[in-house]
Amino acid sequence: DAGVIQSPRHEVTEMGQEVTLRCKPISGHNSLFWYRQTMMRGLELLIYFNNNVPIDDSGMPEDRFSAKMPNASFSTLKIQPSEPRDSAVYFCASSSETGGDEQYFGPGTRLTVT
Amino acid sequence: AQTVTQSQPEMSVQEAETVTLSCTYDTSESDYYLFWYKQPPSRQMILVIRQEAYKQQNATENRFSVNFQKAAKSFSLKISDSQLGDAAMYFCAYRRGGSTLGRLYFGRGTQLTVWP
Repeated sequence: DAGVIQSPRHEVTEMGQEVTLRCKPISGHNSLFWYRQTMMRGLELLIYFNNNVPIDDSGMPEDRFSAKMPNASFSTLKIQPSEPRDSAVYFCASSSETGGDEQYFGPGTRLTVT
Repeated sequence: AQTVTQSQPEMSVQEAETVTLSCTYDTSESDYYLFWYKQPPSRQMILVIRQEAYKQQNATENRFSVNFQKAAKSFSLKISDSQLGDAAMYFCAYRRGGSTLGRLYFGRGTQLTVWP
């Protein structure tokens, strides 16, 4: 199994630009989570989906952030416009209700907004 | 709200020795799960061990074991025969039970250094 795939691994952009982070969950997993890791706030959940439906988006910082899951094998997290305080590592994780429910994490995307 | 506290920002251990990382949590739930994740410099989050709250027996995975004290809401990780490859940031995490949809709540982490 390829594991959770995230792209890009690194992203450097200028303030005000649109940023799109991508995630491919493990095949067969039906829950997908987006987390953000910063020195100040640690690891925090932004949003999660079950069967492609957003369940809890209370962690999304503000309207500049949006997430979609158009099908079971793909999700995006978009920031528009980006700000320097959005600089962080963004993780995608997936899990399955059958065969164990641990969350498996992708390698993360390191985002730097200058 | 659920909170997870790791009171040791940094720990160090000599290779082949044993080290214990502490974690406490706060919850009013009776059904929940606890996890330890490892994050090496590659930043990949790796599940080390999990514990179901309804199980009295402490979980064990090879050199990793936990001391789960439900009444005290304590969940420590013991690493035996420490190896250089164990050096990493370790995160304690909590998830509500009753549903597999639950989000993880993380502590702030403990940076473990292993000396040769």
